[in-house]
Amino acid sequence: AQSVTQPDIHITVSEGASLELRCNYSYGATPYLFWYVQSPGQGLQLLLKYFSGDTLVQGIKGFEAEFKRSQSSFNLRKPSVHWSDAAEYFCAVGIPGTNAGKSTFGDGTTLTVKP
Amino acid sequence: DAGVIQSPRHEVTEMGQEVTLRCKPISGHDYLFWYRQTMMRGLELLIYFNNNVPIDDSGMPEDRFSAKMPNASFSTLKIQPSEPRDSAVYFCASSRRTSGANRADTQYFGPGTRLTVL
Repeated sequence: AQSVTQPDIHITVSEGASLELRCNYSYGATPYLFWYVQSPGQGLQLLLKYFSGDTLVQGIKGFEAEFKRSQSSFNLRKPSVHWSDAAEYFCAVGIPGTNAGKSTFGDGTTLTVKP
Repeated sequence: DAGVIQSPRHEVTEMGQEVTLRCKPISGHDYLFWYRQTMMRGLELLIYFNNNVPIDDSGMPEDRFSAKMPNASFSTLKIQPSEPRDSAVYFCASSRRTSGANRADTQYFGPGTRLTVL
């Protein structure tokens, strides 16, 4: 079965600094990849997704992610973090086939932004 | 579009009582998911439906939990009897199969129901 690993439970960055959140997956072929964000007290919201094509994907709120097949990774980046980016971030993978409908979510990374 | 609607937003009940959580997915979506989120266990998929049919309920913790989807616009998650360890935030999400593709797409989450069992 596929799995998703987010190695960093908690990351703290200063406002204006760059950000990279790591995501690694385990699956024999290229899965469908997603990053979601969850602000306190809210449900998850999609930031960006990758299905095929250009491996650098642009999302909302200035985020981007790069799919690297050789590393089985889909890391999320932002060049300059804003205080409003403080939230929990989830990487998710979906695979085609029998369970094509569902996504497997990582355990999440909590981002704290220092002023 | 109103998005995924969940009710109630907060529920406080006593151990042993029946709890029913409700969800209205986005119109036109053919997948519906129920998740549970806690600090200890994170985000867990409980069950999901495709075209109102349960596809995978392997995440349902035990027989006290049941879910139904009587039509495309409504689903319930019931806990009977409830226990303190069921306290969590329960999310409903919906998604749509991309036309011509063997996959579903983005999941749209509701605001969640915060359940507290005393």
